[in-house]
Amino acid sequence: QQQVKQSPQSLIVQKGGISIINCAYENTAFDYFPWYQQFPGKGPALLIAIRPDVSEKKEGRFTISFNKSAKQFSLHIMDSQPGDSATYFCAASGGAGSYQLTFGKGTKLSVIP
Amino acid sequence: DAGITQSPRHKVTETGTPVTLRCHQTENHRYMYWYRQDPGHGLRLIHYSYGVKDTDKGEVSDGYSVSRSKTEDFLLTLESATSSQTSVYFCAISEGRSGETQYFGPGTRLLVL
Repeated sequence: QQQVKQSPQSLIVQKGGISIINCAYENTAFDYFPWYQQFPGKGPALLIAIRPDVSEKKEGRFTISFNKSAKQFSLHIMDSQPGDSATYFCAASGGAGSYQLTFGKGTKLSVIP
Repeated sequence: DAGITQSPRHKVTETGTPVTLRCHQTENHRYMYWYRQDPGHGLRLIHYSYGVKDTDKGEVSDGYSVSRSKTEDFLLTLESATSSQTSVYFCAISEGRSGETQYFGPGTRLLVL
C-alpha cells in the first residue's frame, strides 16, 4: 500500500524559531509533493508544493526541501509565528491513479510566544 | 473554501440509521473526493468521482456509497451508520491532473451514538 510517513506527530516551537516537519515516501512513481495547512474547524488548504526536478522551493517563510535518493521531503518554517500554529499534512501523488493524494498523518504545530 | 459547501455541517445520529452528506461545488471541477479525518489517521480517501455517474472506491470505502448525478453535487451515504463512522468528513475538488491542487470544503462533523 502506498504510504507517506510523517514526523513528528506534534511540535512545539518558540516564536522566531524554525519548525521542521519531515515526510518519507515509498512509491518512486510519486511526482508531486504538496503540504497542506489546517486550522481548527477548517478544511486543509494548500500551503506549498514541489516536484522532484528541484531540491528546494521557497515561498516566503516556508521552504520545502526534497531528497529524491532518500525519498524524503521536509517543510521548514522560518521565523515561526503564533499564527502558524496549525496542523500540517504532507502528501504525495503520481503514477497509477496519479490525481489521488496520499496523505501523511499530520503534525500539530504549536508556536509559543 | 474555493466555492465548496458541505451540508449539514454538524449531525448527530443513531447507530443503524442512514445518513447522507452533500458536497456542492461552483467551480465546475471534474474530480470530487470524500475523505474522513480521524485523530492519528490523517486524511483517508473514502470514494472519489471523475465525472457524472463515474465513481470509484478509495482506501476506506466499506460502509459508504456515493452518487454524482450532476457535476456540482457529490453525495456520500452511510447506509447504516456505526459508531466507527463518527468522524469529520471533508469533500475536495480538483481538475484531476497530477499536480493539481485539491481544494477542500469546510467539513461535516458527524457523531454516531
